[in-house]
Amino acid sequence: DAGITQSPRYKITETGRQVTLMCHQTWSHSYMFWYRQDLGHGLRLIYYSAAADITDKGEVPDGYVVSRSKTENFPLTLESATRSQTSVYFCASRPGLASYNEQFFGPGTRLTVL
Amino acid sequence: KQEVTQIPAALSVPEGENLVLNCSFTDSAIYNLQWFRQDPGKGLTSLLLIQSSQREQTSGRLNASLDKSSGRSTLYIAASQPGDSATYLCAVRKGGGADGLTFGKGTHLIIQP
Repeated sequence: DAGITQSPRYKITETGRQVTLMCHQTWSHSYMFWYRQDLGHGLRLIYYSAAADITDKGEVPDGYVVSRSKTENFPLTLESATRSQTSVYFCASRPGLASYNEQFFGPGTRLTVL
Repeated sequence: KQEVTQIPAALSVPEGENLVLNCSFTDSAIYNLQWFRQDPGKGLTSLLLIQSSQREQTSGRLNASLDKSSGRSTLYIAASQPGDSATYLCAVRKGGGADGLTFGKGTHLIIQP
């Protein structure tokens, strides 16, 4: 059972380039999330999705775009990367709405923008 | 806006000690609280989830408590081992729909052999 996978695991890009981070989950969870983790800020929510074709902004959405055409995939795109987007990005999923539903995290993608 | 604080930021103790990690949150209207463990360079592993109607949850040597009215949770680790060394994160969910988690900045724990 693979759970949540993220690709690539490491990425170096240049300012201004478009970058897409992939997230795939094998559990058929309804909800999916993207977070970024930075020293001094902890983890912050970028975007989330309640189902295919339903997405919404989190705390720090500027500069990011998401889509969810299939339940199992939730790619995150940086349209024009900036140095401030250098971070570790985590994808997460949750089965449903219930208060007993845990959130599960992928292994992360370390992105460096030069 | 919900804010989550974890104290202490770092902790180093000898193997075998029992220890308590603290988490506080400013808005008591939470749906649940989750404790995670993060090893260096890795993702987050869920340890315990406490629903807002619950007071505590236990898993092995771990016990988490929740006092929603005072905005506090504690994670108790019994008989600590070097393998417990990691960063421990507390996160709260406000409830309802496709809401995410609000995280504290973590407690970096080192267990000395």
